Order: sequence, then C-alpha cells, then structure tokens
Amino acid sequence: EAGVAQSPRYKIIEKRQSVAFWCNPISGHATLYWYQQILGQGPKLLIQFQNNGVVDDSQLPKDRFSAERLKGVDSTLKIQPAKLEDSAVYLCASRLTGGNSPLHFGNGTRLTVT
Amino acid sequence: KQEVTQIPAALSVPEGENLVLNCSFTDSAIYNLQWFRQDPGKGLTSLLLIQSSQREQTSGRLNASLDKSSGRSTLYIAASQPGDSATYLCAVKDNFNKFYFGSGTKLNVKP
Repeated sequence: EAGVAQSPRYKIIEKRQSVAFWCNPISGHATLYWYQQILGQGPKLLIQFQNNGVVDDSQLPKDRFSAERLKGVDSTLKIQPAKLEDSAVYLCASRLTGGNSPLHFGNGTRLTVT
Repeated sequence: KQEVTQIPAALSVPEGENLVLNCSFTDSAIYNLQWFRQDPGKGLTSLLLIQSSQREQTSGRLNASLDKSSGRSTLYIAASQPGDSATYLCAVKDNFNKFYFGSGTKLNVKP
C-alpha cells in the first residue's frame, strides 16, 4: 500500500512571500488532515476534511492560510503572505472514515521563512 | 478541552534496558489512543492503537497499556536497541475524529 505522499520536502521563502504544499492521501482514505508541527512540539491541527468538505478549520489562520480538496482526493495548503512564525513542518495525514482506523502520516514539508 | 502530556520530555538509556514512556490525558471520553514514532526529518509512524474498550496492545517488543478512567497510557519497550532512538508521541482520538497529540518523549538508546 502506497503511503501518504507530500511535496515538496523542503521550502525556503522570504517573509511576505506565498507557498503551497501538496498532499496525496492513501487511496480510499476519505478523511484528510493538515497539521503544523513546530520543533519540540506535537502536531497541531490546521484543518480536517471529510471527502471534499471541511469538518474542522477552527485553528486555521484564515487571514493567511487556505486549503482545498476539490475532488476529495489530493489536497493543497497555501500560505499567503508567510510570516517568520510559520516556520515549521507541515504534515498531511489520512485515515479511513470512522471507527478505529489508524492515522497515517506523510513525511511532511519543512518550511523555513527568512 | 483535551490536553495530552508526555513525561519525560527526553530519556537516555543504555542498550538492553527495558523502559516505560508515559502519556496522560485530561478527558477520559476518548475513542482510542495511538502511539507513534517519529524519526528526525520524517513523519509519524503508527506503532500501536488501543481502542477505548481495550487494556493493552502488543507488537513485538512494544506493549501499550491504557487506563481510561485515570487518563493514562504507557508504552513499554523491552530490551531497547539503538535503532529504537526516536521521538515517541501519543495521541487520543475523540468521538468526532479529532486527534490530540502530546509533545513527545525523545528517546536515546546508547550502544
């Protein structure tokens, strides 16, 4: 079974620039999550999708972050404009809907904002 | 709001030692608890998942226990090896498919 794919692996941008991350979940996984992980901390949920609908985006800074999952498969997360405090690893995770299905993570995108 | 705590934040042990990692959570109304391993520069890899009705799960040298009423879980690693060096995180899932993560315990197993 192919895992969760993310790209790019690394990105360095200057503050006020924009950046986009891409995620392809495991085939058949209807639930998709984007997390932000700052060094030394656990992942913090940014947004949760069920198919192509948003379930929870309460912690997404909507003035600068946006995410979409148009066809219920791939997803993109965008930051515009970036701030220094956005430097973190952005992790995508997916799982089968409901029950005790485990969460599967991609390798993440490490963003550095200078 | 659910809060998940992992103590200690870091642990260093000699190879071969048995060790226990701790995870505590404030709201006992969980659906399940999952233990993950994270290597530097990588995503999280699922190790064990314990359903709320279960007391423990085992996989190889790993054994995870769950005491939901007291808000605690432990991950027991037997006969530790240098390859076990990584950060271990626990996460609890609520009834709305939302996960709450601890900050992890960074384990170093010395040869």
